[in-house]
Amino acid sequence: EAEVAQSPRYKITEKSQAVAFWCDPISGHATLYWYRQILGQGPELLVQFQDESVVDDSQLPKDRFSAERLKGVDSTLKIQPAELGDSAMYLCASSPGGVAEAFFGQGTRLTVV
Amino acid sequence: EDQVTQSPEALRLQEGESSSLNCSYTVSGLRGLFWYRQDPGKGPEFLFTLYSAGEEKEKERLKATLTKKESFLHITAPKPEDSATYLCAVRISGSARQLTFGSGTQLTVLP
Repeated sequence: EAEVAQSPRYKITEKSQAVAFWCDPISGHATLYWYRQILGQGPELLVQFQDESVVDDSQLPKDRFSAERLKGVDSTLKIQPAELGDSAMYLCASSPGGVAEAFFGQGTRLTVV
Repeated sequence: EDQVTQSPEALRLQEGESSSLNCSYTVSGLRGLFWYRQDPGKGPEFLFTLYSAGEEKEKERLKATLTKKESFLHITAPKPEDSATYLCAVRISGSARQLTFGSGTQLTVLP
């Protein structure tokens, strides 16, 4: 069964350091999402790609966060510098596009110390 | 402003005690409502998609329904393994067709 792959599963980093997360979507899925989820809350969209283009990054803190999907397949989300408030679960999801459902990876649990 | 509200925030049931979770939405141009299940420390797992008022979907002990203002996730005779957080999300019309989530209902089923 096709799955969204994310790595690493867990990451501990010191504040002011750089951190990066990787996501490989389900093959053929044109839409890719990065969400951030704080414990006890629902996922909040950070950035949405359609193929290699960003279609929504209105909630992405662009002074420290960046995301790319260079060949329209896998994607990287970077934080530099990390802050204590960035501690959360970072989720990647993919969708065939249009109005279809999205499928999530297992997430990366980030702890900033 | 588009909003998705889930209630209750938490629900404790005895095994076999049926109940319903609510997801109410105020969005312009609904293009789909989605239910997910999330276990602690894991990513959300897709359950159902509903596109139009009156639509219903079933899977084992779960049944999802949709009206013009809200969706219900009915759980019939739940078992302890149904314990999880249940999230609903809406997709609205527009160029990006964002997927916006509610805050979830944490369900605990006691044996």
